[in-house]
Amino acid sequence: GAGVSQTPSNKVTEKGKYVELRCDPISGHTALYWYRQSLGQGPEFLIYFQGTGAADDSGLPNDRFFAVRPEGSVSTLKIQRTERGDSAVYLCASSLGTSRVDEQFFGPGTRLTVL
Amino acid sequence: RKEVEQDPGPFNVPEGATVAFNCTYSNSASQSFFWYRQDCRKEPKLLMSVYSSGNEDGRFTAQLNRASQYISLLIRDSKLSDSATYLCVVYLDSNYQLIWGAGTKLIIKP
Repeated sequence: GAGVSQTPSNKVTEKGKYVELRCDPISGHTALYWYRQSLGQGPEFLIYFQGTGAADDSGLPNDRFFAVRPEGSVSTLKIQRTERGDSAVYLCASSLGTSRVDEQFFGPGTRLTVL
Repeated sequence: RKEVEQDPGPFNVPEGATVAFNCTYSNSASQSFFWYRQDCRKEPKLLMSVYSSGNEDGRFTAQLNRASQYISLLIRDSKLSDSATYLCVVYLDSNYQLIWGAGTKLIIKP
């Protein structure tokens, strides 16, 4: 079956611009996570959705970052006024159950480069 | 001190050898543990959960040492395809947080 998909695969933008990153989770998965990963680092948690609501957004670094999941499926991560430090691979993952220890299935990521 | 620490490596190991690496965690209340594998420029994938009694899946064995607060991963008869970064993940039930290590890079050489 189809796995988690993310678009675009690569995004190059200029400092100060607005970007949107999209995640399509596995059908039927209620939990959705956003992470970002810098070179040589593990995934850094950003936000967790259970259904349509953000159950935990404690990882969002500041108010320039926002994510939505209006129908409990597709999610969009939005970054305003991008900074060079936002450059990273943004990973989305979904899982079937409501527990955070359920296996997470990751998408291929969006590589964001802020010039 | 980082909450989850791993030796970044790389571990350069000849094909067929046995290799083991550890992951230490700082919070003694940590309750669940996992190893994920991440190939170069790919997404992480679950390799195995780590149970208190230790568990084995083919050539892979995971152990948990609560007293010393570390988990280990042992790979026997290593294959070229085992080359990857191995990420340690620790779950804290108290605040529902999954903490990811930075990973250990393993390179299997022919």
